[in-house]
Amino acid sequence: GENVEQHPSTLSVQEGDSAVIKCTYSDSASNYFPWYKQELGKGPQLIIDIRSNVGEKKDQRIAVTLNKTAKHFSLHITETQPEDSAVYFCAATREASYDKVIFGPGTSLSVIP
Amino acid sequence: GAVVSQHPSWVICKSGTSVKIECRSLDFQATTMFWYRQFPKQSLMLMATSNEGSKATYEQGVEKDKFLINHASLTLSTLTVTSAHPEDSSFYICSAAGLGNSPLHFGNGTRLTVT
Repeated sequence: GENVEQHPSTLSVQEGDSAVIKCTYSDSASNYFPWYKQELGKGPQLIIDIRSNVGEKKDQRIAVTLNKTAKHFSLHITETQPEDSAVYFCAATREASYDKVIFGPGTSLSVIP
Repeated sequence: GAVVSQHPSWVICKSGTSVKIECRSLDFQATTMFWYRQFPKQSLMLMATSNEGSKATYEQGVEKDKFLINHASLTLSTLTVTSAHPEDSSFYICSAAGLGNSPLHFGNGTRLTVT
């Protein structure tokens, strides 16, 4: 089955700096890779996703890159702000097979003002 | 955007009682909803897949008689924790997706504390 690894587990950056979170997956059939942000005491919020037919997607300060050959995908947050502090989860699945979504262990991001 | 509403956001109950948690898709129909459990500082663990009009599919190790799931309509799924014990205390989260390749959206979770 699918296995998703995520690094680092914790990340502290100064406000304004960039943050990068990296994930790897094992199932070459996975073709949908969402990223979720979870604030304390709340459910995960979808912030960006990428499908296997593209290598990069950007939405304002957030971008995701995908290397299907290496089975790597990464989240990039530029110009970080204190409100970006949260736990971020990557995930991998075959599209629409949400019962098979495998989440990474999470990265706790702290943005220091 | 798609919204999934979960209620209650927190609940405290006594050991031996049952607790019902509701999950609603507010602006789309969800034939399938999912229930997760999350322990502190850990990732989400899928408990079961809730199918509208049919029985839920439970993940290995999840007691179906303890965690009753009902998916009565295309916009509502409920999770009932029966005869709750302190070890059932956790953060329970539901999710749902619309038709086709719609993204998966999550509710805000329910913090269950069993005393």
